[in-house]
Amino acid sequence: GNSVTQMEGPVTLSEEAFLTINCTYTATGYPSLFWYVQYPGEGLQLLLKATKADDKGSNKGFEATYRKETTSFHLEKGSVQVSDSAVYFCALSAQGGSEKLVFGKGMKLTVNP
Amino acid sequence: DSGVTQTPKHLITATGQRVTLRCSPRSGDLSVYWYQQSLDQGLQFLIQYYNGEERAKGNILERFSAQQFPDLHSELNLSSLELGDSALYFCASSVASGTGSNSPLHFGNGTRLTVT
Repeated sequence: GNSVTQMEGPVTLSEEAFLTINCTYTATGYPSLFWYVQYPGEGLQLLLKATKADDKGSNKGFEATYRKETTSFHLEKGSVQVSDSAVYFCALSAQGGSEKLVFGKGMKLTVNP
Repeated sequence: DSGVTQTPKHLITATGQRVTLRCSPRSGDLSVYWYQQSLDQGLQFLIQYYNGEERAKGNILERFSAQQFPDLHSELNLSSLELGDSALYFCASSVASGTGSNSPLHFGNGTRLTVT
């Protein structure tokens, strides 16, 4: 079946450090890939997405590239801020849209000043 | 603010009881999704409704049921509650008109259910 595997953490970084969160997936066909972020006490918010191979999603300084050859969608940010402290979820939709998203287990990031 | 409203925010109840969680989707959104978030299972898709009809089913137990009403709000009913049902239950909505839509999900802040 479809699945997502991501780094689970927790991870603690200092402000301005480089961030990479690995995410790999298993799916048939051509899924859409997403990163969601959950700030403390809130629901998930879409951070970025990519719908086909080699697409790059970007938002708020975060980037992720859809790599079909390695079935990966790693999240990166060059310089994290304290306000980036949150839980990050990688997800896929096998139907290519937002239906029935399959999520990874989430990774908690804490950024210290 | 995502525009998705979930009530109540917290619910504490005993094993064997029944509870109802409510969700009002974002204005204009026709699809409602329910997810369960627990420490050991992560975020699990339960069920999706589109414009009042069930669209997709995930790992939803037979003790759980849901429905979407004509005004598009949705309710998730959990019965014969067990300790393991303690979790955060999220509702999400989208304008999705059907399979393959790329409309994003907008999540509510969740209902935290504690079964004692």
